[in-house]
Formats: sequence, C-alpha cells, structure tokens
Amino acid sequence: QKEVEQDPGPLSVPEGAIVSLNCTYSNSAFQYFMWYRQYSRKGPELLMYTYSSGNKEDGRFTAQVDKSSKYISLFIRDSQPSDSATYLCAMSADTGRRALTFGSGTRLQVQP
Amino acid sequence: DADVTQTPRNRITKTGKRIMLECSQTKGHDRMYWYRQDPGLGLRLIYYSFDVKDINKGEISDGYSVSRQAQAKFSLSLESAIPNQTALYFCATSDAGQGARTDTQYFGPGTRLTVL
Repeated sequence: QKEVEQDPGPLSVPEGAIVSLNCTYSNSAFQYFMWYRQYSRKGPELLMYTYSSGNKEDGRFTAQVDKSSKYISLFIRDSQPSDSATYLCAMSADTGRRALTFGSGTRLQVQP
Repeated sequence: DADVTQTPRNRITKTGKRIMLECSQTKGHDRMYWYRQDPGLGLRLIYYSFDVKDINKGEISDGYSVSRQAQAKFSLSLESAIPNQTALYFCATSDAGQGARTDTQYFGPGTRLTVL
C-alpha cells in the first residue's frame, strides 16, 4: 500500500464549479502538507502549504487537513480553464532529513 | 522555474548507454533532489543531497548514481540505461534547514528520457 493515495482522475468540471481534490495517507508522523500544481510539460510548483491540522485559504484555493482521519483536501472555488492541470499532494514528517512523499496526482480539466 | 535549470530537456538513448542528466540552480539552496515521474506513480525520490558532502539514497536509487559537484550543481547518472528507466526526471531544490519555515521544493522544467 502506498503511503499517500490520490485519485488520478481525470476530473472534468464546467467553468465556475467548485472542485474538491483529496488525498489520504497512512503515516501518522506526517505533519507538513502541501499541494503542488503541474501544468503539462512543466515542473510542479507549490500552490498551498499547511502545517498540522486545520484550514488555510488563499484566494480561490482552500486547503484542509484532518489528521485524525489522515485526509487532506484542496478546494478550488469559481474554477477557471487556467486551473486545468495535474494537482499533486505532498507531505513530510519534518523539515529534517525526510524528503517529501508525493501522491500520484489528479488531472483536472475545467471546461469553458 | 528559471532558477532551476535542467539539461538536456529531452534525450533518446539506447539500452546499455551511460547517460548524465544535469541540474543547476541559482537559488542558493543547500538541498537538492532528483525525482522521476511515471504515469500513475507520481513523483518518486531517487537521490537527495543536503550539502556537497551529504548525499542520500531515495526510495528508488538502484541503477542510478549522483554527483554534487558544487552547491549549485547536482548530476544524475544512469550507468547502463534500461527501457524501464524511460520517464520524466525532475530536479528540485529546497531551503529547508536554512531558516525557512516551510519545506517548499522548487522544481526544474524536467528532462524527458526515452531508453530504447
């Protein structure tokens, strides 16, 4: 079983829809949670960063972490065609010697 | 991210050939990483380096080696390439451990490697 599970999609939604992207994980030591966005033929770029449990909002994006359920989510409000990309969750136990563990990514398509 | 560059961007090679992928960064970060990305498997860590003298294996290091020539340069080598090493390879850097509050990783544009 992978440490981080993520539905690969593709997820297709109409412009303006609310998008929910999710990851589950098995390692209870994870405490740093990130969402990366990857456009086609590009490297991933950090979108959201959350430490421990709770919510974080940045414009149209909201990240949620529920450590008790080992479940993280990314919500995109008023989705735009420019949001079409692959979204990868990533997490780590600390900023010490551990590197990030990534989910496999969910491909999102926002139809105009 | 122009601060992290990778060469070549695309490479086609044959089984058994030695291949080197190069990564350079101008971000001044100590930490550098090599990942490979395969469809359905996400990003998997090959090697990582926390400074020039600190190099560590990741989860899939077999068949690969690395060299950290300087703080700014981190190369990945395939000593004898095989077809299942066909993948997209990413280099990344991080300033975690240099006082940064987060473990943000900054990725290069990737190298698409095909082994025939």
